[in-house]
Amino acid sequence: QSALTQPRSVSGSPGQSITISCTGTSSDVGGYNYVSWYQQHPGKAPKLIIYDVGKRPSGVPDRFSGSKSGNTASLTISGLQAEDEANYYCCSYTGSYSLWVFGGGTKLTVL
Amino acid sequence: QVQLQESGPGLVKPSETLSLTCTVSGDSMSSYYWSWIRQPAGKVLEWIGRIYTSGSTTYSPTLKSRITMSVDTSKNQFSLRLSSVTAADTAVYYCARAPAVPGTTWFDPWGQGTLVTVSS
Repeated sequence: QSALTQPRSVSGSPGQSITISCTGTSSDVGGYNYVSWYQQHPGKAPKLIIYDVGKRPSGVPDRFSGSKSGNTASLTISGLQAEDEANYYCCSYTGSYSLWVFGGGTKLTVL
Repeated sequence: QVQLQESGPGLVKPSETLSLTCTVSGDSMSSYYWSWIRQPAGKVLEWIGRIYTSGSTTYSPTLKSRITMSVDTSKNQFSLRLSSVTAADTAVYYCARAPAVPGTTWFDPWGQGTLVTVSS
C-alpha cells in the first residue's frame, strides 16, 4: 500500500487561505469518506483537526475545513494565523491491507 | 480529558524484541480501539495495529508475523511487542485511540511518542 501524496510544503501570509491536497486511489481516499487530518507542531503529538472528510472535532476552529473530490482530499485553512505553522498529515481508511494509510506530510509556513 | 503516554526502552539491539506500553488516563478504555502508529525519521507514518478492550487484534500485514499486542484494562494500559527488530524498525512510536463504532474513523488523542532506536 503506497502512502498518500501530499505536497512537501506550502506557505501563506497571515489572513490568507491555503489548501493542502492529499491524493490517493480508489482503494483509499476515493473509496471511503474516512479521511482525517492531523496537525503536528515540532516535538508535539499529532492533533486531530478533521475527520470523516469534512467534520471538525469540538474545539477546532472553523477556519479549518476538509473536502474530497474523487481520489483527492483537501484541507483548507482560512484566515491563516502564526500558530497554524506546523506539519499536516492526511490519513485514509483503506478497507484492506494495512487498514489505514497516511500521507507524507506537508510543512505549512506562515510568512 | 483522555491522555496517552508511551513508555519503554529507547534502545533495542538488533534481533531482540521491542516492548512498549501505553498508559491511558482520564477515561475508561471501554468501547474504543487502541492503536500503535510509528514514524521513522523523515518517513511516512505507518499504522502498526490495534487492539480492542476484549483483546481482539488487527495487525498490519507487513508486520503481522512479528507483532503481539495485549491489553490490561485493570491498569488502563495496552502494549506492543515487535520481535526480531532491525534498524528499519527505528522510529518514533505513538499510541492513539480510535472509535469502535461504524461510520466514523479517526485517531485521537495521540501519545507524545517515544523514540526507539535499534542498534547494537
